Amino acid sequence: EVQLLESGGDLIQPGGSLRLSCAASGFVFSTYAMSWVRQAPGKGLEWVSSISGSGDTTYYADSVKGRFTISRDNFKHTLYLQMLSLRAEDTAVYYCARDLQPSRPPGLPFDYWGQGTWVPVSA
Amino acid sequence: EIVVTQSPATLSVSPGERATLSCRASQSVSSNLAWYQQKPGRAPRLLIYGESSRAAGIPARFSGSGTGTEFTLTISSLQSEDFAVYYCQQYNSWPLTFGGGTKVEIK
Repeated sequence: EVQLLESGGDLIQPGGSLRLSCAASGFVFSTYAMSWVRQAPGKGLEWVSSISGSGDTTYYADSVKGRFTISRDNFKHTLYLQMLSLRAEDTAVYYCARDLQPSRPPGLPFDYWGQGTWVPVSA
Repeated sequence: EIVVTQSPATLSVSPGERATLSCRASQSVSSNLAWYQQKPGRAPRLLIYGESSRAAGIPARFSGSGTGTEFTLTISSLQSEDFAVYYCQQYNSWPLTFGGGTKVEIK
């Protein structure tokens, strides 16, 4: 059974840093591109970042470029999102999500999602 | 950036009726469009991708159509579990973008 379990969400002050993790199981992690998608309270979905299965290709939304870094450890079957210089507008539930098909570049629909981790940015 | 616009924002439908949701892209996304369902407090669930392919385990009452810039999600006969928010997403080019959602509520 495919499972994605996010962790690391916490109350953080503006300007602070946080690292989110997403532990994957039930599939060959290294063969799938992975992504982070966030959802602000009462709002819609916003794509944040994607990474290839090997980790050598990454993409970012303009709203987080230069502040967030996506990475992965294929030995630990874990996806990460390092977030720096956090702003109030980064407040959201952060989901990790798996691309639909293995061995493809990032940029497919997301067929499995984690339960999300809550990141409130507030003084 | 491709802007994705969904309409209507809210759709009131009676159980058993047909629901038709629209999604428009600001430029052609070919057939690279997906639909998701989200219930309160839950993660989104993939319904339709590639314009009309149903994801694993999705009932046949869900169907998608369209290509280019105009897309439609149809739920042929609404069941109680179908009342939720629906999002479309283009994956034709970066950045990936979602529509603002359509809430399907009980009439």
